[in-house]
Amino acid sequence: NAGVTQTPKFQVLKTGQSMTLQCAQDMNHNSMYWYRQDPGMGLRLIYYSASEGTTDKGEVPNGYNVSRLNKREFSLRLESAAPSQTSVYFCASGSGPTPGAFFGQGTRLTVV
Amino acid sequence: AQSVTQPDIHITVSEGASLELRCNYSYGATPYLFWYVQSPGQGLQLLLKYFSGDTLVQGIKGFEAEFKRSQSSFNLRKPSVHWSDAAEYFCAVGAKETSGSRLTFGEGTQLTVNP
Repeated sequence: NAGVTQTPKFQVLKTGQSMTLQCAQDMNHNSMYWYRQDPGMGLRLIYYSASEGTTDKGEVPNGYNVSRLNKREFSLRLESAAPSQTSVYFCASGSGPTPGAFFGQGTRLTVV
Repeated sequence: AQSVTQPDIHITVSEGASLELRCNYSYGATPYLFWYVQSPGQGLQLLLKYFSGDTLVQGIKGFEAEFKRSQSSFNLRKPSVHWSDAAEYFCAVGAKETSGSRLTFGEGTQLTVNP
């Protein structure tokens, strides 16, 4: 039972490089989310997708883009990485009669 | 807008002692409330959740939480802490219109357990 799978688990980027974080869920959830976690700040919502084909900004969307490729997959793209984007990124999914969100194991990103 | 406050950044307890982690929320209607635990280098694991019914909620690992509407609180408790409970704990609030899955988190409480 995979749940929410994120790749990669670790990544180091140079300032200005681009990359895409991948997320897939196998629970048939409608909604998917990207959060970032920084010390002392809890988790903050970057972008979310309430259903396939829709995406919306969260609390901290600047510097990111997302794609809801299909119901299973929701990717997060950094077009030009900055040191301020050094963080741990979590993907989550949820929907329907079971309230709550299910989280992946996270991607630890360092931008140097 | 919804918000969550965890007043205690860091708590230290002795193994075997009781534990209470505080959580206060702000939300216009009846919220969905959650507690997650995160061990170092790991993802978030759901401990328990409240969305309706009995205000005392039982979770995994012997944890429980009580929803008190009058105090806008959802405090997490455990009668006897084990060394393996050392971790960071996050309280979160979600809205019914998103099935509780779009969450606003508190800043977390780091729990240290002394032998």
